[in-house]
Amino acid sequence: GNSVTQMEGPVTLSEEAFLTINCTYTATGYPSLFWYVQYPGEGLQLLLKATKADDKGSNKGFEATYRKETTSFHLEKGSVQVSDSAVYFCALRSLMDSSYKLIFGSGTRLLVRP
Amino acid sequence: EAQVTQNPRYLITVTGKKLTVTCSQNMNHEYMSWYRQDPGLGLRQIYYSMNVEVTDKGDVPEGYKVSRKEKRNFPLILESPSPNQTSLYFCASSAYRDTQPQHFGDGTRLSIL
Repeated sequence: GNSVTQMEGPVTLSEEAFLTINCTYTATGYPSLFWYVQYPGEGLQLLLKATKADDKGSNKGFEATYRKETTSFHLEKGSVQVSDSAVYFCALRSLMDSSYKLIFGSGTRLLVRP
Repeated sequence: EAQVTQNPRYLITVTGKKLTVTCSQNMNHEYMSWYRQDPGLGLRQIYYSMNVEVTDKGDVPEGYKVSRKEKRNFPLILESPSPNQTSLYFCASSAYRDTQPQHFGDGTRLSIL
């Protein structure tokens, strides 16, 4: 079945450090891929998405590239800020799945220190 | 403003006392879904609905019911809540295309004692 694997957290960085959060997936067909962010006490917000191979999603300085050959969608940011502290979820959605659901990774908590 | 609204945001209740969590969206989305979020497990789908009067089970439907009488509303019903249903619940909606992201509500934290 379809699945998403994310790197274990928490990830602790100093402000202005480079961020990578790894995400790999298993899916039939060609899923759409998403990164969601959850700030403390809030719901999930879409951060970025990519719908086909080699697409790059970007938003708020975050980027992720849909790599079909490595089945990966790693999240990166060149210089993190304290306000980026949150939990990040990688997710996929496949039209081949009749439930049309999002399949999430377990989430990676990011803590950015001043 | 496009949004998904859930109520209540927090609820503490006791085993066996029926409760309903409401969900409403103002984006005219066909697809709506309920997820629960548990530590280390990410989010798992409970039920989903493709359109009015069309609902189906997700991955963890046991102990839950839903209805979709109107396009904008998709309530989650726990007829006899149990402690293992203590969790953080999210409602989501989207247009019916796999490339479209789902929009999430702010969540409902349920504690069943």
